[in-house]
Amino acid sequence: QVQLVQSGAEMKKPGASVKVSCKASGYTFIGYFMFWVRQAPGQGLEWMGWLNPINGDTDYAQKFQGRVTVSRDTSITTAYMELTGLRSDDTAVYYCARAGNISALLDALHIWGQGTMVTVSS
Amino acid sequence: EIVLTQSPGTLSLSPGERATLSCRASESVRSSYLAWYQQKPGQAPRLLIYAASNRATGIPDRFSGSGSGTDFTLTISRLEPEDFAVYYCQQYDSSPRTFGQGTKLEIK
Repeated sequence: QVQLVQSGAEMKKPGASVKVSCKASGYTFIGYFMFWVRQAPGQGLEWMGWLNPINGDTDYAQKFQGRVTVSRDTSITTAYMELTGLRSDDTAVYYCARAGNISALLDALHIWGQGTMVTVSS
Repeated sequence: EIVLTQSPGTLSLSPGERATLSCRASESVRSSYLAWYQQKPGQAPRLLIYAASNRATGIPDRFSGSGSGTDFTLTISRLEPEDFAVYYCQQYDSSPRTFGQGTKLEIK
């Protein structure tokens, strides 16, 4: 079945970087856009950006420009989200999510990973 | 960016009742590129509705979406115990793809 499995929880110090992975299975990885969303404790959902796995094209929310990099390794059907210059307010659950339709950028988030908790604390 | 405002913030209802959740956009959402998600504590969100009115795979028909332009509605016709959760709307018309702040549906 279609599945996104994310890497485990991370604890980082302020100023450090974190790289979260999202392993895709059960479908053609390069066919579907991948998106990243985060959720701070007790808060709502926040859009971060997207990746086109077929060519590596990306787009990021302005809030994260310069600090976030989304990438992929097609040989192992895995997407990555790296966030640098971590601050305490980056403490959140980070989700990858997949579009529902092949090659569809304008699409809802049909399949979600289980989330990765990133804690930033000194 | 398009700001989505959900109302009410909290909705207290009983099982069997009808729930109506609202999502208003600060500008028109083209082609009804609007989705609704359900999130339960400790779980990832789950897609319920896409393109304003299309149920996602496996979603019961008691969930329905409607609306266009700037006003959208999620309706749950008869609440089941498992429907009590937080609901988010999201527009995917333009970047950044914003979410509403959420409506918490709680048991009365």
